[in-house]
Amino acid sequence: NAGVTQTPKFRVLKTGQSMTLLCAQDMNHEYMYWYRQDPGMGLRLIHYSVGEGTTAKGEVPDGYNVSRLKKQNFLLGLESAAPSQTSVYFCASTLTGNTEAFFGQGTRLTVV
Amino acid sequence: AQSVTQLGSHVSVSEGALVLLRCNYSSSVPPYLFWYVQYPNQGLQLLLKYTSAATLVKGINGFEAEFKKSETSFHLTKPSAHMSDAAEYFCAVSDPDMRFGAGTRLTVKP
Repeated sequence: NAGVTQTPKFRVLKTGQSMTLLCAQDMNHEYMYWYRQDPGMGLRLIHYSVGEGTTAKGEVPDGYNVSRLKKQNFLLGLESAAPSQTSVYFCASTLTGNTEAFFGQGTRLTVV
Repeated sequence: AQSVTQLGSHVSVSEGALVLLRCNYSSSVPPYLFWYVQYPNQGLQLLLKYTSAATLVKGINGFEAEFKKSETSFHLTKPSAHMSDAAEYFCAVSDPDMRFGAGTRLTVKP
């Protein structure tokens, strides 16, 4: 049972480049989340999804887009990367709202 | 949206001493509250959760937390710290999307 898997684990981008982070879960969870973690700021919610085909904005959505075309996958896109998006990105999933979150191992993104 | 505030970005204790990590929530109704732990270069894992069944919640690794409505608090405690407890701890609230506090880094001195 793989749980939550994020790809890639590391990436370096140049300013203005685009990329997509993939999150996959095999637990049949309804909710999926993308967070960014920065020193001293904890985890801040970027976007989330409460089911296949749905997405919603979190605390810091600007500069990011997401899609949930399949229940098991949640994609995070950066259309034009900026140095301020240098961070560690975590994906998580929950069975429904108000249940335990399961996390991926994180993606360390550096924008130069 | 609901939120949580963690008091103290860094807590240092001696091995064997009491661990107290503070968390306050913003909701006027009892929320779903969680404590997670993050070890270096890893994702977060659940320590315990409050779902209104009992005010004192026991978690893994000897941790527990008490829900106090009058103080809007959900502080995490452990009677005796161990070196392996050194990590970053996050309080979270579900509304139902999961929101986290800024985290408290726990250092355990020998």
